[in-house]
Amino acid sequence: NAGVTQTPKFQVLKTGQSMTLQCAQDMNHNSMYWYRQDPGMGLRLIYYSASEGTTDKGEVPNGYNVSRLNKREFSLRLESAAPSQTSVYFCASSEQGQDTEAFFGQGTRLTVV
Amino acid sequence: GNSVTQMEGPVTLSEEAFLTINCTYTATGYPSLFWYVQYPGEGLQLLLKATKADDKGSNKGFEATYRKETTSFHLEKGSVQVSDSAVYFCALSVGGFKTIFGAGTRLFVKA
Repeated sequence: NAGVTQTPKFQVLKTGQSMTLQCAQDMNHNSMYWYRQDPGMGLRLIYYSASEGTTDKGEVPNGYNVSRLNKREFSLRLESAAPSQTSVYFCASSEQGQDTEAFFGQGTRLTVV
Repeated sequence: GNSVTQMEGPVTLSEEAFLTINCTYTATGYPSLFWYVQYPGEGLQLLLKATKADDKGSNKGFEATYRKETTSFHLEKGSVQVSDSAVYFCALSVGGFKTIFGAGTRLFVKA
């Protein structure tokens, strides 16, 4: 009963380093999302993938890239980390349709020093 | 554009007190509305939803009514418990692919 699994849970990077956040879901959902959560700003959408093979920019895509590897997996890459990317990152998935619930992973707490 | 505004927190209540967390929205089209809850150290999970005007969503003693005339979806609970301490997010979805979240309201319930 895993749902949405994110790795790693915690990460500290130095400015300029790169890393990839991994996300996998086992609910056969078509749509997957990456959000960042910052104090007082709620969740902001970075990128989303409506279906396998497609990705689109969300509200705050600068400094990030994504890959929808297959239906299960959706990764987020930081090519050159900056302190402004210190945040908690959440992956989510859902069925398509505006009435549908989004299922979230437990989050990755990233600190860039 | 589409946006969600919810009351700033934190909200601190004593156990068994009445809870209201205000949420208003702006949307083009006809959104679905949601309340999500985030417990410490966890991701968000759906608390309740309403998909059309005058619908009432309810779960675990929480309720919210979709009010189109006031563009509101306020969360209420008649008697809160310590275990309700969490961050609550109001959200909307229009068009199916993107959910827009409010800033979140932290609730502390004291025994």
